[in-house]
Amino acid sequence: GENVEQHPSTLSVQEGDSAVIKCTYSDSASNYFPWYKQELGKRPQLIIDIRSNVGEKKDQRIAVTLNKTAKHFSLHITETQPEDSAVYFCASSNTGGFKTIFGAGTRLFVKA
Amino acid sequence: DVKVTQSSRYLVKRTGEKVFLECVQDMDHENMFWYRQDPGLGLRLIYFSYDVKMKEKGDIPEGYSVSREKKERFSLILESASTNQTSMYLCASSLIQGVRYSDNEQFFGPGTRLTVL
Repeated sequence: GENVEQHPSTLSVQEGDSAVIKCTYSDSASNYFPWYKQELGKRPQLIIDIRSNVGEKKDQRIAVTLNKTAKHFSLHITETQPEDSAVYFCASSNTGGFKTIFGAGTRLFVKA
Repeated sequence: DVKVTQSSRYLVKRTGEKVFLECVQDMDHENMFWYRQDPGLGLRLIYFSYDVKMKEKGDIPEGYSVSREKKERFSLILESASTNQTSMYLCASSLIQGVRYSDNEQFFGPGTRLTVL
């Protein structure tokens, strides 16, 4: 079946450095790619999303890139801060359907 | 502000018990979802519903059933709980599947940590 692979599973960076999380999806019909952040003990919340007709989207310190040909998409966080520490989930879905498939998650540690 | 609530934060049940997990959203969302979250496995979809009384199986429906009698409420039922159903259960809702970015965002509840002994 369809799946989303996410790497790395754990990422540790120094405050101020950049962090990159990569995902690969298998369903070529996917056209919507959200990223969710889950802080410890809290619910996942959407932080940024992108559609297949766009190659890159930026929102302050976070950006997402999409390579539809290679079925890759990535989350980039610049100037990381301790409050960026969380688990990040990538996901893919087809807006014509209802099923969103999540990656396994990346635990990001930002060391002060 | 979208609010998704779940009936319990923590639940302890015995093997073989029937378990009900309830989820309520207050934003008139069409779609509702039940996921289970396990370390290293991410969020796996159990069931979803796109309308009242409508339901579709997700990736791991075995051992679960759902009920959506009212638009705002989506219940997950474990007919006979087993130890391998010990997990964190997350409910989510979204407006519709549409062309606007905002249509697709899923809003999650706080989760129910279920332990089956």
